[in-house]
Amino acid sequence: EPEVTQTPSHQVTQMGQEVILRCVPISNHLYFYWYRQILGQKVEFLVSFYNNEISEKSEIFDDQFSVERPDGSNFTLKIRSTKLEDSAMYFCASKGSGGGSYNEQFFGPGTRLTVL
Amino acid sequence: EDKVVQSPLSLVVHEGDTVTLNCSYEVTNFRSLLWYKQEKKAPTFLFMLTSSGIEKKSGRLSSILDKKELFSILNITATQTGDSAVYLCAVVRGINDYKLSFGAGTTVTVRA
Repeated sequence: EPEVTQTPSHQVTQMGQEVILRCVPISNHLYFYWYRQILGQKVEFLVSFYNNEISEKSEIFDDQFSVERPDGSNFTLKIRSTKLEDSAMYFCASKGSGGGSYNEQFFGPGTRLTVL
Repeated sequence: EDKVVQSPLSLVVHEGDTVTLNCSYEVTNFRSLLWYKQEKKAPTFLFMLTSSGIEKKSGRLSSILDKKELFSILNITATQTGDSAVYLCAVVRGINDYKLSFGAGTTVTVRA
């Protein structure tokens, strides 16, 4: 069964460093998302991406964040200068086109980011 | 701002019990409501509900949506220890906006 994959599973970094979280969405999906979940809190939307551009972003997704689909298979989230409060589990999700109806989003296993 | 409120926050039951989880929402341009199960890591999809009053079933799990009263329930019958997880409710709104707005989740613990 196709699945969303993410690497690394755990990333530890120093405050102020740049990190890139990688995701490989399901191959025929067209919509891509990043969510994060701070320990003990709810899953929060960060950004959605369709047709090679951001379609929506949340208030959390400030200038320190960027997304890219560099090669048609990977979907990356970059945090330029990490802060302690960026420590969270980051989930990538993808969704098919659905032909006008909504299809469910499939989530990857997540990357746990720890900022020291 | 979208609101998705789940209740209870947590509950503990014994194997064989039935649990009912609630999710109420206030969103503009509501499109669908989804239920996910989160065990250790990624949320896994359970149900998507778009129409009111139509029950969706999968084994011992079932769910229904009430678009007039703006809530959904998820039922688990004959619970097993493997049902222990956080159950997440999320809503999708709009036509071109497919982001999920999640509730805080209900932690279900099933004791043997």
